[in-house]
Amino acid sequence: NAGVMQNPRHLVRRRGQEARLRCSPVKGHSHVYWYRQLPEEGLKFMVYLQKENIIDESGMPKERFSAEFPKEGPSILRIQQVVRGDSAAYFCASSPRADSREQYFGPGTRLTVT
Amino acid sequence: KQEVTQIPAALSVPEGENLVLNCSFTDSAIYNLQWFRQDPGKGLTSLLLIQSSQREQTSGRLNASLDKSSGRSTLYIAASQPGDSATYLCAVERSNDYKLSFGAGTTVTVRA
Repeated sequence: NAGVMQNPRHLVRRRGQEARLRCSPVKGHSHVYWYRQLPEEGLKFMVYLQKENIIDESGMPKERFSAEFPKEGPSILRIQQVVRGDSAAYFCASSPRADSREQYFGPGTRLTVT
Repeated sequence: KQEVTQIPAALSVPEGENLVLNCSFTDSAIYNLQWFRQDPGKGLTSLLLIQSSQREQTSGRLNASLDKSSGRSTLYIAASQPGDSATYLCAVERSNDYKLSFGAGTTVTVRA
């Protein structure tokens, strides 16, 4: 009974490169959320997706960041042209349906931009 | 905008002592409140979820209360153990929203 899977667990990118973070939700869950935890700060919501739809991206930076949750495969958070300030832990969570909103979190991807 | 505050930011107690962690939130129109545990460099483990219609939830040595009208929740951990050392996060989901608003956490150290 696998929980939320995220990979890679650690990612190092040089400034200007692209970072792709993957999240496989709990089997049967169709709702995915991404959160970011900056050093010494709390977790902040980024985006909420259902299969093939972005429901709420109010926490996403307007530039360089994008997210998708295709019909098949994991959810992807993409950061283009990374900068040092993007260094953080990125957590994915999933829930089974809209009326069961307990969120189950993955282990996170720790992105370091050098 | 929902603001979530956790006090204290850090807590150190001897083994066996009871722990009391506080969480306050500014918007009482919540759907639920969750308490999580986060170990250094690790993900979040859900401890307890309290629906807005509930006043408390219990799991083993953990008990969480919710007073929605005053915007407060308290997590009690009885008879603390060194293995309880971690950061405890409180998160609130608003009624008209799906996103969780997190507090900054309380870092607990239980001394053997």
